[in-house]
Amino acid sequence: DAKTTQPPSMDCAEGRAANLPCNHSTISGNEYVYWYRQIHSQGPQYIIHGLKNNETNEMASLIITEDRKSSTLILPHATLRDTAVYYCIVRVGRNTGNQFYFGTGTSLTVIP
Amino acid sequence: NAGVMQNPRHLVRRRGQEARLRCSPMKGHSHVYWYRQLPEEGLKFMVYLQKENIIDESGMPKERFSAEFPKEGPSILRIQQVVRGDSAAYFCASSPDGILGYTFGSGTRLTVV
Repeated sequence: DAKTTQPPSMDCAEGRAANLPCNHSTISGNEYVYWYRQIHSQGPQYIIHGLKNNETNEMASLIITEDRKSSTLILPHATLRDTAVYYCIVRVGRNTGNQFYFGTGTSLTVIP
Repeated sequence: NAGVMQNPRHLVRRRGQEARLRCSPMKGHSHVYWYRQLPEEGLKFMVYLQKENIIDESGMPKERFSAEFPKEGPSILRIQQVVRGDSAAYFCASSPDGILGYTFGSGTRLTVV
C-alpha cells in the first residue's frame, strides 16, 4: 500500500537538475509527502517533506501541485554521489505510529 | 550526537539458530521502528516501539519474530529458528516524537546459511 507511483529509473547528467516525479492521487488532506533516498543499500536518508506549500532545504526542493495529487523532487545540481534510489512516501504527519510505506522508488543514475 | 547505531553490521547464522539485532536510537529519541529489506525490494515496516511498549506490530511475522525496547538499553529484534528466507537487511529508525520523519541506522545484514 505504497499509495505513490514513481518511474522505476531515471538518468541525469552531472551538474544538471534532476527532477523526480511522484504521483499520489489518493492523498488525504492531512497526509504529508516525504522523500527519502537510499544509496547502495545504506540506511535511507531523509531529504525533505511538505504538506501543500513548496519546500526547499540545503539538499533539494519539493514542488507540490495545487491539487496535491503529484509532486516533484528537484536536485538542483546533481552530482555522482546523488546516484541512489529515491522514495516518495505519503504519511499522516501528526498521528503517532503511522509508519512509512516504501514502494520501489526511482533509481536515479547521475552520469558523468 | 551519534546517529542511530545498529549492530552487528553483518550477522551470519545457520538455519535453526537465533539472531539478535540491536538498535540504539539517537539521543533523546524514544520511538523506534524496525524495517526489513529483502534483496532487490523496498523496505517493509515490521514494528514500532516506544519505551517498554509495542505500539504497532502489524508488519511482524506472527511466529519466530519478536521485538522489545526496554527502559534501559537498546531495542532488540529477535528472530528464533532462522530460515534462509530471513536473509535480508534489517533497518532501525528512531524519532523523538513519532510524528515527523525519522532517522535510519546503517542496518544489519543477516545471512542465513
